[in-house]
Amino acid sequence: GQQLNQSPQSMFIQEGEDVSMNCTSSSIFNTWLWYKQDPGEGPVLLIALYKAGELTSNGRLTAQFGITRKDSFLNISASIPSDVGIYFCAGTNTGNQFYFGTGTSLTVIP
Amino acid sequence: ETGVTQTPRHLVMGMTNKKSLKCEQHLGHNAMYWYKQSAKKPLELMFVYNFKEQTENNSVPSRFSPECPNSSHLFLHLHTLQPEDSALYLCASSQDPKRALGNQPQHFGDGTRLSIL
Repeated sequence: GQQLNQSPQSMFIQEGEDVSMNCTSSSIFNTWLWYKQDPGEGPVLLIALYKAGELTSNGRLTAQFGITRKDSFLNISASIPSDVGIYFCAGTNTGNQFYFGTGTSLTVIP
Repeated sequence: ETGVTQTPRHLVMGMTNKKSLKCEQHLGHNAMYWYKQSAKKPLELMFVYNFKEQTENNSVPSRFSPECPNSSHLFLHLHTLQPEDSALYLCASSQDPKRALGNQPQHFGDGTRLSIL
């Protein structure tokens, strides 16, 4: 099936630092999603992107739909301890079949 | 998020047991999904239901049997599972993208942690 490459695999940062992660696919998508998953819980939708070049914010989170339609980026500004978790990207071109990245594990050191 | 509820949260079963996982969504969605989440692997889509009709079956072994009696409820019946089936099973729902205006994000439950002895 479709492979999404998500990087980095893990990050250890100091509280207050900014975070960047990205996701690339081998084929074009028309929708990109970013989720966060806390231990023992399901993924929670953070941001949805529907147009190439689109830049969307949700509080301290900003995500971009890459212009090539094969990548997406998530930035977190001024990280706080509750940002800890695993962040997943997901993309689709068909609607029902979303492909997921392997996740970026974020640790924030107070 | 309580829009998608899964029960039980944890399940331990032997390889010869029969059990069922339940999912209920309160979001007014009409598409429901089962995913398998294993450590260090991407989420694997198992089944898709649109308006109670199964529209995707991603080569899932027959020991997993889904059932969707209505747009709000989804079950996964388990029978003679293998140790490699131990994983977190996630249910999700969305608006049917074929009827909505474009692709719709999926909203997840908290999953059932399944352990096969």
